[in-house]
Amino acid sequence: SSELAQDPAVSVALGQTVTITCQGDSLRVYYANWYQQRPGQAPVMVIYHNTNRPSGIPDRFSGSFSGNTASLIITGAQAEDEADYHCNSRDSSGYHLLFGGGTKLTVL
Amino acid sequence: QVQLVESGGGVVQPGGSLRLSCAASGSTFRRYVIHWVRQAPGKGLEWVAVIWYDEIYKYYGDSVKGRFAISRDDSKNTVYLQMNNLMVDDTAVYYCARPEDSNMVWAMHVWGKGTTVTVSS
Repeated sequence: SSELAQDPAVSVALGQTVTITCQGDSLRVYYANWYQQRPGQAPVMVIYHNTNRPSGIPDRFSGSFSGNTASLIITGAQAEDEADYHCNSRDSSGYHLLFGGGTKLTVL
Repeated sequence: QVQLVESGGGVVQPGGSLRLSCAASGSTFRRYVIHWVRQAPGKGLEWVAVIWYDEIYKYYGDSVKGRFAISRDDSKNTVYLQMNNLMVDDTAVYYCARPEDSNMVWAMHVWGKGTTVTVSS
């Protein structure tokens, strides 16, 4: 098994760019996916397979990856982007999913 | 628009059992894998289990393996999660989720709203 590490909290000024990272050895082999979760709501996928954006997700959301780190980038953060962001990926066995601990994004 | 609707949550004593259901709309339901994911109060997301089409594969998270069982009835467009020997740490909102494309497995584009399970004496 392996783990995915996320910073517990990140803040960004309104309209600025923020990067949320997810680190883990399995990311060298398997895709990362990113989910936004507002309080009291179900998660919503914002990036899949490292860099792909589902339909309906604003283009200010983008994804990148390098080595053992996947990143979610929000360019021009809006007040409605304040939420928890979770990454996930397969573990080293390839047959289980891992989630990072989540990052709470505050938009100032 | 595909929808997933969970049901079956409730309050149960430690050691008890519950069966959750995940009902889906759409005639192509049988082609998709379905995941269960849970979230304990104030905590992050935890993957619970996944089931392939035709039940050809089933995989479980370490914390539930041997106690939970995932199954599906494609004639009813429903996936089930049978939870036995429940523990206090199983208290969580349980979500079902699936990819947008039947060729995908490990990405979850579509989520239900969740059903709450409380294990307490």
